[in-house]
Amino acid sequence: GQQLNQSPQSMFIQEGEDVSMNCTSSSIFNTWLWYKQDPGEGPVLLIALYKAGELTSNGRLTAQFGITRKDSFLNISASIPSDVGIYFCAGQPNSLIQGAQKLVFGQGTRLTINP
Amino acid sequence: DSGVTQTPKHLITATGQRVTLRCSPRSGDLSVYWYQQSLDQGLQFLIQYYNGEERAKGNILERFSAQQFPDLHSELNLSSLELGDSALYFCASSVTWGSNSPLHFGNGTRLTVT
Repeated sequence: GQQLNQSPQSMFIQEGEDVSMNCTSSSIFNTWLWYKQDPGEGPVLLIALYKAGELTSNGRLTAQFGITRKDSFLNISASIPSDVGIYFCAGQPNSLIQGAQKLVFGQGTRLTINP
Repeated sequence: DSGVTQTPKHLITATGQRVTLRCSPRSGDLSVYWYQQSLDQGLQFLIQYYNGEERAKGNILERFSAQQFPDLHSELNLSSLELGDSALYFCASSVTWGSNSPLHFGNGTRLTVT
């Protein structure tokens, strides 16, 4: 099946540093989504990208939908302690079946911040 | 709070047993999705329902089944449980389907099979 390669798997940074993570795929996706998951909770949607080349910001977060539609990146600027968690990319592939929606998730990037 | 409600939060049961996980989608959402999250495997898509009808299937085992009821809540039934079924099971919902209808996740049910 389709797979997303998310990197890095983990990051250990100092508070205040910028963070960058990305996802790549061998397949084309129509939508790229970025989620954050805190311990004991479900993934929370951070940013949704709908068009190739689209660059979208949400506060200190910025994400881009790659021109080839096969990749996306997420940047976090000036990290703070509450940014700790696992970040997932997710892609929505084309579907020939009306109404079908199967999001494919990356393996996650675990972010740890040293104060 | 995403608005998606899952019950129970935790479930501990023995191998061979059957359990039912319940999900209430956000108000107004017609699509419901089930995902399994194991320690080493990230989020794996199981099944999607839209307005009561099954729309997409992922790697869902034959021992697992789901349905979406007229009031749009959904249940995931897991039977003949095995140790490897221990995982977090997430429900998500979206307004409709398609690229412009992002998924919103509940807080999951943690299933432990002993």
